[in-house]
Amino acid sequence: AQTVTQSQPEMSVQEAETVTLSCTYDTSESDYYLFWYKQPPSRQMILVIRQEAYKQQNATENRFSVNFQKAAKSFSLKISDSQLGDAAMYFCAYRSAGTGGFKTIFGAGTRLFVKA
Amino acid sequence: IAGITQAPTSQILAAGRRMTLRCTQDMRHNAMYWYRQDLGLGLRLIHYSNTAGTTGKGEVPDGYSVSRANTDDFPLTLASAVPSQTSVYFCASSSGTGLSGANVLTFGAGSRLTVL
Repeated sequence: AQTVTQSQPEMSVQEAETVTLSCTYDTSESDYYLFWYKQPPSRQMILVIRQEAYKQQNATENRFSVNFQKAAKSFSLKISDSQLGDAAMYFCAYRSAGTGGFKTIFGAGTRLFVKA
Repeated sequence: IAGITQAPTSQILAAGRRMTLRCTQDMRHNAMYWYRQDLGLGLRLIHYSNTAGTTGKGEVPDGYSVSRANTDDFPLTLASAVPSQTSVYFCASSSGTGLSGANVLTFGAGSRLTVL
C-alpha cells in the first residue's frame, strides 16, 4: 500500500522569505500523481499544485513550485515570497494512475506559520 | 456556484445514535469520497465511489456505511456513533477520468461531528 509522510508537523517563515515543506512517499508503482493541498483556517481544502510522475519537469504555479525527485520518492513544496495568506495547513497527497480506483492518500500535514 | 454541499456543518451526537452526513455535488463528477480529518493523522479515506451504483472501502471503513444511488449524492452513515468517531468529515469528488486534470479533488466545507 502507498504511504505519504510529512516529517515536519510545523514550519515557520518570515513574510517575503522562502520556505520548503517536505514530503516523501512510498509506492511500487511507476505512474502516479502527486499533489499539495492547502487548508486555511476556513477549513476549505484547495489545490496548490500537482505533478504527474511521468513528467520530469517540476511543476510551478506562481510563487509555488515543487522539487520532484522520483528516484528518491520525494516531493517538496517551495513557497517563495511568503505572504500572510499562505499561513495554513499543507497536505501532500498521492494518487495512483493505475486501475486500482481513484483513491487519494494524504500525509499528516504541515502547519505553516507566517510571521509579519 | 458549482461545488459540493455538506450538511450539517456541525453536530453534537450522543453515543449510540445513528447519524447521516449528507453530501451533494453539482459538477457531475463520477467519483466521490469521504475522508475524516484528525490532528496528527491528516485525512484518511473512509469510503469511496468510482461511479454511481458502486462503492468501496478506504483505510478506515469500520463503523461507517455509504450509498451512491445517483451521481450527485453520497451520504455517509454512522449506524451507532462512538466517541472515536469524533472528527471533521470531508466529502470530495473528482471527475475520475483518465485525464490528469480530472485527478484533482474538489472538497466540501466539512462537517464537524462530536460524539459524546
